[in-house]
Amino acid sequence: GDSVTQMEGPVTLSEEAFLTINCTYTATGYPSLFWYVQYPGEGLQLLLKATKADDKGSNKGFEATYRKETTSFHLEKGSVQVSDSAVYFCALSDREGGNKLTFGTGTQLKVEL
Amino acid sequence: EAGVAQSPRYKIIEKRQSVAFWCNPISGHATLYWYQQILGQGPKLLIQFQNNGVVDDSQLPKDRFSAERLKGVDSTLKIQPAKLEDSAVYLCASSLDGLYISNEQFFGPGTRLTVL
Repeated sequence: GDSVTQMEGPVTLSEEAFLTINCTYTATGYPSLFWYVQYPGEGLQLLLKATKADDKGSNKGFEATYRKETTSFHLEKGSVQVSDSAVYFCALSDREGGNKLTFGTGTQLKVEL
Repeated sequence: EAGVAQSPRYKIIEKRQSVAFWCNPISGHATLYWYQQILGQGPKLLIQFQNNGVVDDSQLPKDRFSAERLKGVDSTLKIQPAKLEDSAVYLCASSLDGLYISNEQFFGPGTRLTVL
C-alpha cells in the first residue's frame, strides 16, 4: 500500500538558518504530493503541492520538488523565521488509493532567535 | 468563505461510553473525509464520502465506529462503545470533488477526544 516516510523531529534551528525536511514515498500509481503545516493550536493547512514528476511546489518561501527517480519530495526553505515553528506533514494522494491522503508522521520544527 | 466547522472541540468520556462528532464542510464541497490523528502520528483516513455515498471506509473499525452524511452536507461520526485507544484528534476535511487526484482538502480544527 501507499506510505510516506519523513524525518523525525523535533528539528531545532536558529532564525535565518536553512531548512530541509526529508520525505520519501511509496505508491502504486502516480501520486500527487503535498506538504501540510499545522501551527500551534490551529488546523492543518496546505502549504504546497506538486502533481507530476519534476514539478516544484512553492509557497511562503518554502519549496519542494517532485523527484520520481528517488521517490522524494523534500521540503526546503532558505531562511526560516520564528513564525515557521509548526509541525510539517508530507502526504500523497493516489488515484489508485481512492484519492485519500496518506500522511507521514509529521516533523516538528522549532525556530529560535 | 467559511471553513470546515467541527464540534465539539474537546470531549472527555469514560471507556465504554458513546460519543458523537459533527462536521459541516465548506459549502459546495462534494467530498467529505474523517481522519483520526493519534498523538505523534499523521492523520489516518477513517471514511470518505462523495455526496451522501461512502467511497472508502476500509479503515473504519465498523464494530464501534459509524458515520453518516445525510443529504450530502453535514456529517456525524459516532463511537460506541469507546476504548482507551480511541483517544485522538478527529479531523474532518472537505474538497470540491475527491475524484480529482490533486484536489485540495480543507481541514477543520478537529475534535480532541480523551477516553479515560
